[in-house]
Order: sequence, then structure tokens, then C-alpha cells
Amino acid sequence: EPEVTQTPSHQVTQMGQEVILRCVPISNHLYFYWYRQILGQKVEFLVSFYNNEISEKSEIFDDQFSVERPDGSNFTLKIRSTKLEDSAMYFCASSGRKLKETQYFGPGTRLLVL
Amino acid sequence: RKEVEQDPGPFNVPEGATVAFNCTYSNSASQSFFWYRQDCRKEPKLLMSVYSSGNEDGRFTAQLNRASQYISLLIRDSKLSDSATYLCVVNMNTGFQKLVFGTGTRLLVSP
Repeated sequence: EPEVTQTPSHQVTQMGQEVILRCVPISNHLYFYWYRQILGQKVEFLVSFYNNEISEKSEIFDDQFSVERPDGSNFTLKIRSTKLEDSAMYFCASSGRKLKETQYFGPGTRLLVL
Repeated sequence: RKEVEQDPGPFNVPEGATVAFNCTYSNSASQSFFWYRQDCRKEPKLLMSVYSSGNEDGRFTAQLNRASQYISLLIRDSKLSDSATYLCVVNMNTGFQKLVFGTGTRLLVSP
């Protein structure tokens, strides 16, 4: 069964450093998303991406965040200057060719900012 | 009012029990509704979509009441493997999907 993959599974970084979280969505999917989940809290929408541009972003997704689809398979989330409060699990998700298809989530990257 | 509200639990039930979870959502224009399951430190996984007519998948039954903005999930004949957190999820957009998650209801099924 096709699945979304994410790397790395864990990332530890120092405050102020840049991190790039990588995702490989399901191959024929066209819609891509990032969510985050701070430990003990709910899953929160960050951004959706379609046709090489952001379609919607949340208030959390400020200027420190960016997304990119550098090639035909990868989808990345960059945090330019990490803060302590960026520590969370980051989930990538993708959905298929129709707008309202189910989103499938990757296993997540656990980011710890020290 | 929270966008999606759930009782956090935990619900402690014995194997074989029937358990019901409820969820309310604030935006009457919400378009689609789901139950996801999340195991500890894992990703959310789709359990089932929820339709106005109600739908069933094996031991799981989901109901939607648009007038009351209320969603439910019923699990019959609980198994140990059902122990997880159940997330009520609402897509609030008419266009691009934007899933809004509840905080989840934790279920513990004991032998």
C-alpha cells in the first residue's frame, strides 16, 4: 500500500538554527499539507500546497516557515530560525487528484529545539 | 467555543464492551467529517469518514447530525487493539481541505 514517508524521524537542533523537514507524498497525489502536534496537544494545520504554490496557511505559519516542492517527489518544510516553541511532531499529509479526497499522513518528524 | 470539541476521556472499558464518543463542531458551514485514530506518538490514521446518513464499518458506526453540529462514533465488541486516541476531524473549507482536529478521546480497553 502506498504511504507517505518523512525524514528524519527525529531532529534535535539549537535555537536559532535552520531545519528542513522532508516528506515524500504518495506518488500520484496532488495536494500536500503540513501539520504539527505539540506534545499533549491537538494536531494543528500549518499549510496546504497545490500546483507549486501555497493554497492556505494558518496563523502559526509565519515568515519563519516556508514550503517547497523542489522536485517531482519531495515536499519540504523549512523553519529558518527555530524557537523553543517549535518543538513538536510535524506531520506531512497528501491527498489525491480530487479536491476533497482523504488525507493520508506520514509517520512524522519529532523536532526538539534546545 | 472550540472549533471541534471532544471529551478527552480516558474511557476505560473491558473487552467486549460498547463505547460511544461524541464530538461537536462550531462552524455550520463545515463540509466533511472524519474519525481518525492515533496511537501513542504515531501519525493520525483515517478510521472512517462520516456521512449524514450514518455509516458503518464492521464494529464501528459513525453518525452526523448537521442540525446539532454533532458527530458520534460507536465501537461495538471492543478489542484490546482498539486502545488508542480517537480524533474527531472536520474539514471547514469549501475549497482546499483544511482539517481541524479535536483534542481526541483516549480509549483504554482492558482484558
